[in-house]
Amino acid sequence: LAKTTQPISMDSYEGQEVNITCSHNNIATNDYITWYQQFPSQGPRFIIQGYKTKVTNEVASLFIPADRKSSTLSLPRVSLSDTAVYYCLVGPISSGSARQLTFGSGTQLTVLP
Amino acid sequence: SQTIHQWPATLVQPVGSPLSLECTVEGTSNPNLYWYRQAAGRGLQLLFYSVGIGQISSEVPQNLSASRPQDRQFILSSKKLLLSDSGFYLCAWSPRTGGWNEQFFGPGTRLTVL
Repeated sequence: LAKTTQPISMDSYEGQEVNITCSHNNIATNDYITWYQQFPSQGPRFIIQGYKTKVTNEVASLFIPADRKSSTLSLPRVSLSDTAVYYCLVGPISSGSARQLTFGSGTQLTVLP
Repeated sequence: SQTIHQWPATLVQPVGSPLSLECTVEGTSNPNLYWYRQAAGRGLQLLFYSVGIGQISSEVPQNLSASRPQDRQFILSSKKLLLSDSGFYLCAWSPRTGGWNEQFFGPGTRLTVL
């Protein structure tokens, strides 16, 4: 199983771009990288998923270097409502492999006014 | 659209009492279903998952059990609660063909065991 390492916490100010990096040195060839967001007392919400290079959606961008040993979630122009815990997950896309879904402690992002 | 329901939202139970948490999904068929627990300030721990009616896989040995009596119903149970069972319990589903990476979570149940 690919273990992930993220910073415990990060602070930012409204309107800034925030980059959260996740290390996954033991990522396997068939592993994908997925990011979730969780607000207090709520379930996590899927943000973005990628395999390599760059993926962008209406919420965030995900940058994955060629060696895939790390990934960076980029949140453009954050607002106070982006204050949440962000989780990086690594594992294969397979309906029969749910046991490989591991949420670490995540990164607590605090956006300041 | 798909929705996922959990109840109760909060629960306070004495040690040794039984537990039953229910999760139902609407708007999809044959989903993969999951139960997670989150201790205060911690990440999520996968407890059980199910790929079909009556099919339950356990991830962590514990005094909890799960059942899936219907396609879109997932139940978490215990015969005797322990103090360590306190936490935030989350049910989630994912499409059968889509894999596990994108899971959709319910609102959760906050369980306090006294």
